[in-house]
Amino acid sequence: KQEVTQIPAALSVPEGENLVLNCSFTDSAIYNLQWFRQDPGKGLTSLLLIQSSQREQTSGRLNASLDKSSGRSTLYIAASQPGDSATYLCAVRPGSSASKIIFGSGTRLSIRP
Amino acid sequence: EPEVTQTPSHQVTQMGQEVILRCVPISNHLYFYWYRQILGQKVEFLVSFYNNEISEKSEIFDDQFSVERPDGSNFTLKIRSTKLEDSAMYFCASTVSYNEQFFGPGTRLTVL
Repeated sequence: KQEVTQIPAALSVPEGENLVLNCSFTDSAIYNLQWFRQDPGKGLTSLLLIQSSQREQTSGRLNASLDKSSGRSTLYIAASQPGDSATYLCAVRPGSSASKIIFGSGTRLSIRP
Repeated sequence: EPEVTQTPSHQVTQMGQEVILRCVPISNHLYFYWYRQILGQKVEFLVSFYNNEISEKSEIFDDQFSVERPDGSNFTLKIRSTKLEDSAMYFCASTVSYNEQFFGPGTRLTVL
């Protein structure tokens, strides 16, 4: 059964720092991996999608990497800003399912001005 | 930019009542999903829907739950007899194929 873990659960850094959020999954047979942002009490905003055949994806200050064989992904945020404060969720689409995605519990990020 | 919409944003109901949560997926999308997030917990998959039928459902999605695409644009989740433990944020999502899923803003369901 696929399990997705995100460490740390919470992170606080000063504005301007580069940071890395981690995601690990137990079964390397995945179709893709998606990173989301969730603001308190709000919906999920898709940030990046990495297909299983890809190693990384970039969007603006965000870069996500995927190492499928080791069951890991990282989300790199460059030059962090207070507006980046949110919970970041990692989710994988398992190879055994063409439908659902399985979420991690998220990393709550706080950027201090 | 097209987006998934959900109504209502907040629904309060008494235990045992039926509720219907509504979603309008992105217009050219073919796959539709419901997820839920109990406060402080992970987002959990409930059900996926394609070609007017359920393609996959989780253990949570028991006989109290049903989904429907009544008119080609709306996608609904019905809970027949709500329980206290159904209180959660319910998210609708859609996608063109086995790719990026786009989520709506959610409906907060409170069962009293």
